Formats: sequence, structure tokens, C-alpha cells
Amino acid sequence: NAGVTQTPKFQVLKTGQSMTLQCAQDMNHNSMYWYRQDPGMGLRLIYYSASEGTTDKGEVPNGYNVSRLNKREFSLRLESAAPSQTSVYFCASSDPLGGGSPEAFFGQGTRLTVV
Amino acid sequence: GDSVTQMEGPVTLSEEAFLTINCTYTATGYPSLFWYVQYPGEGLQLLLKATKADDKGSNKGFEATYRKETTSFHLEKGSVQVSDSAVYFCALRDLYSGGGADGLTFGKGTHLIIQP
Repeated sequence: NAGVTQTPKFQVLKTGQSMTLQCAQDMNHNSMYWYRQDPGMGLRLIYYSASEGTTDKGEVPNGYNVSRLNKREFSLRLESAAPSQTSVYFCASSDPLGGGSPEAFFGQGTRLTVV
Repeated sequence: GDSVTQMEGPVTLSEEAFLTINCTYTATGYPSLFWYVQYPGEGLQLLLKATKADDKGSNKGFEATYRKETTSFHLEKGSVQVSDSAVYFCALRDLYSGGGADGLTFGKGTHLIIQP
């Protein structure tokens, strides 16, 4: 049981380049999330998806797009990377309204540097 | 909106010392409360949780009690080890607040350093 798997683990981009961060979960969870972690800021929610086919903005959505490809996969896209998007990105999943516990399960993170 | 406030570090203790990391929250509904731990270079792991008032979560010698009257969820451990060195996050999830984004709301994290 792999849980939540993110790829890649590390990435360096030049300003203006685009990339997609991939996330997949094998726990049959309905809800999936993308967070960013910055020093002294904790984790902040970028986007979430409560179910397949739906996505909603979180606290810091500007500069990002997401796609809930199917129940397992939730990708995060940076169309034109900026240095302010240098961060560690975490994908998570949970399923409290589907009868599961309320906690979220996290992937190992993607460390992104934009130069 | 919901918010979590926790003591910021780094907190440096000697091995076998008593640990308290304070956490207080603001929420409009009836949140579940969590402590997550992050070891260097890794993702967040759930350490313990409490889903209603007066519940006590416990795991690996750590404990925290959900205190609704003081809106607090302080993390404690009686005797810390070097292996407890990590960043600890307090978080809440308010499933039935009637609005706003889903997902956990996190504190800024407390970096704990245990010296031998």
C-alpha cells in the first residue's frame, strides 16, 4: 500500500517555464489537496478536489491550475513559473465524508526551485 | 476564518526532558484537531488526533487533550529522545462549519531539537 505518491521529488525551473506535478493515491479517497510549505508559513492550501470532476480554490491559488484526472490522480500545473513559487509542494488525500477518519495523508513532497 | 497558533521555535531541550508545545485554535464549527510530525526531508505524518472535546490523543509517548473551554490542544511528552527532533505542526479540520475551503488549517510549525 503506497499511500500518496508524488513525482518528481526535486525540480529546478527557469522563470517562465511550465511544469506539472503529479500525485496519485491508492486509498480510494474522494478528497485530494495540494499544499505549499514555506519557511515560517506552515502549510497553505493551494487547491483541493472534493470528488472526481470537481476542483476548488484554496488560500493561495494564483499562478496554479489543477486537474482531477480520475479518482486516483490530482495534478498541479505551473503555467509560467516565478521565483515566488519556489517552495515544497505536498499532495494529500482524505475521505472524512465517505466514512473515513478526518485526517489527511501526505505524500513525500516535491522540492521546486525557480531561478 | 479558522486559524491555528502554535509556539514557534526552535525549541531546544536535553534528552529526557519534559516537552510541551502549545497550540490554540479559532474555529467557527466543531473541529477535529491533529498533531503532525515532519522529519527532515520527509512528508508529514499524523502523530495523534482528537475529534471531540475532552478526547485525548496519544501515540509514541506523546499526548494532547482537546480542551474546548480554552480552545487548546497542547502537545506533551514526559521524556524526549534525540529521535524526536523534528518539526511539529498543529492542525484543525472543521468539516461542518458551513462554508469555506475544505482541508486542514495548519499552524506555522515548531522546530524541536533534542540534544544528547
